[in-house]
Amino acid sequence: DTGVSQDPRHKITKRGQNVTFRCDPISEHNRLYWYRQTLGQGPEFLTYFQNEAQLEKSRLLSDRFSAERPKGSFSTLEIQRTEQGDSAMYLCASSQSNGELFFGEGSRLTVL
Amino acid sequence: AQTVTQSQPEMSVQEAETVTLSCTYDTSENNYYLFWYKQPPSRQMILVIRQEAYKQQNATENRFSVNFQKAAKSFSLKISDSQLGDTAMYFCAFMPTWGGSEKLVFGKGTKLTVNP
Repeated sequence: DTGVSQDPRHKITKRGQNVTFRCDPISEHNRLYWYRQTLGQGPEFLTYFQNEAQLEKSRLLSDRFSAERPKGSFSTLEIQRTEQGDSAMYLCASSQSNGELFFGEGSRLTVL
Repeated sequence: AQTVTQSQPEMSVQEAETVTLSCTYDTSENNYYLFWYKQPPSRQMILVIRQEAYKQQNATENRFSVNFQKAAKSFSLKISDSQLGDTAMYFCAFMPTWGGSEKLVFGKGTKLTVNP
């Protein structure tokens, strides 16, 4: 498989619990992005990495959110103490330096 | 900050006809990319077409073409010979190319329905 893969595809959790999403980018891509998408809206940027360096974080990314990309390969997005407002689709994308992003199928989070 | 505006929340078209989706953007950058992405129901987002701002020629990809008006900051997508498989959300997106933030900024999307 040469696409972007995300795991899990669906996560249902209770408010206050922690969740972690994983993204495996296309192997030769050095840039990795996380976006959040709510129903009927366009994706909102959360953060991005170039190799292992986190170069930009949105102010949407509160202290409860943390992302890592150890060794510049896969990435994880952790949400601590989840709130109902965190319910959304979390999209991962990767790219080389030419601007075209390739998206995964997303991880849907439902916080009860 | 860059913003992208899609003024048509929903559109519909008959199969085999042509439809145009609108997009405007606001930026102080001179060099950037513009994209149209397609997101079919419950499926991943895929790139439809891309335009570099320094190119005057409008991009085309088979049945998909754009009308890029840099001075007006307008970037519309034309779909010719619409097919049922074109039914999807369509997002216009912007990214600076040099010295700016390397992130895609999306519009809110246009839901396109192709009717048989």
